[in-house]
This record gives sequence, C-alpha cells and structure tokens, in this order.
Amino acid sequence: NAGVTQTPKFRILKIGQSMTLQCAQDMNHNYMYWYRQDPGMGLKLIYYSVGAGITDKGEVPNGYNVSRSTTEDFPLRLELAAPSQTSVYFCASSYNAQIGQGYTFGSGTRLTVV
Amino acid sequence: DAKTTQPPSMDCAEGRAANLPCNHSTISGNEYVYWYRQIHSQGPQYIIHGLKNNETNEMASLIITEDRKSSTLILPHATLRDTAVYYCIVHGGTSYGKLTFGQGTILTVHP
Repeated sequence: NAGVTQTPKFRILKIGQSMTLQCAQDMNHNYMYWYRQDPGMGLKLIYYSVGAGITDKGEVPNGYNVSRSTTEDFPLRLELAAPSQTSVYFCASSYNAQIGQGYTFGSGTRLTVV
Repeated sequence: DAKTTQPPSMDCAEGRAANLPCNHSTISGNEYVYWYRQIHSQGPQYIIHGLKNNETNEMASLIITEDRKSSTLILPHATLRDTAVYYCIVHGGTSYGKLTFGQGTILTVHP
C-alpha cells in the first residue's frame, strides 16, 4: 500500500517555465489537498478536491491550477513559475473529510524557482 | 475553524514524558482537536484526535479539558526520533477537511 505518492521529489525551474506536480493515492480517498510550506512556516492550503471532477480554491490559489479527472490523481499545475513559488509542496488525502479521519500526506516536492 | 495557540518551542529529556499544550478557547461544539507532527520537512504525520474525551493510541495520549478550551498532547516516553514540529489543529463543522496549520511547537528531545 503506497499511500500518497508525489513526484518529482525535487525540481529547479526557471522564471516563466511551467510544470505539473503529480500526486496519486491508492486508498480510494475522496478528498485530496495541495499545501505549500515556506521555510519556517506552517502549511497553507492551495487547492482541494472533494471528489472526481470537483475542485475548489484554498487560501493561496493564485498562480496554480488543478484538475481531478480520477479519484486517484490530483495534479497541481504551475503555469508561469515565479520566485515566490519556491516552496515545499505537500499533497494529502482523506476518506471522510469532515470528522474523525486522519489525513495522509505525501513526502513532498521541493521546488526552487530561479 | 477555531484558532489555536501553542508555545513556539519546548525541550524534553529522552525517556521522560513530553507534554505539549494547546489553547483553543473559541472551539465550537462540533469541532475536533487534531494533532499532527512534522519531522525534518517530511510530510505531516497524523498522531491523534479527540472531541471531548481523553484519547490514547500507540503513539500518544490526548487530554482535553472539561470546558474543551485547551488540550495537552502527551508523549509518554520521548525518544530522539520524536524531535519534530507538533501542530495542534481544531477542525470540524463545514470546513470540509481543510486543515489550518499554525506555527506549531518545535519539540527538541535531548539525550
């Protein structure tokens, strides 16, 4: 059971480049999330999804896009990379999002924009 | 979700109990208290959660005051591997799973 798998683990982008951060879970979880964590700070929610075909913005969505075509996958797209997007990105999933269920996090993608 | 307040850092000797406090004075009746930890920039790891009763699992114990305005996470026998940032999160109601992470408490376990 792999849990939540994120790829790549590390990436360096030049300003203006685009990339997709991949996230996949094999636990049949309905809810999936993308967070970013800047150095020395807590996690901030970028986007979330409550099921295939349904996504919504979190606290810091600007500069990002998401899609959820399947239950398993929740990719995060950066269209025009900026230095402010240098961060560690974590994907998470849960079965029941409202109460009583812990979240499973991936190991993160460390992105540097230069 | 209700806001939480945690001390920025704490120390603990290896083998002793680590008691991490959290204040959540604005918690509402349908909100749970969750604890997560993050070891050296890995993904956060779920530890335990509770509503109003004390809870215990293989990792830790959670003590919630009767008025639910504060709680304490207890690691009964701290090891060096418990050195991490510990996050107390209050969550429930209509926020549909969107955890709000604060600054957390940096717990350092010393030999």
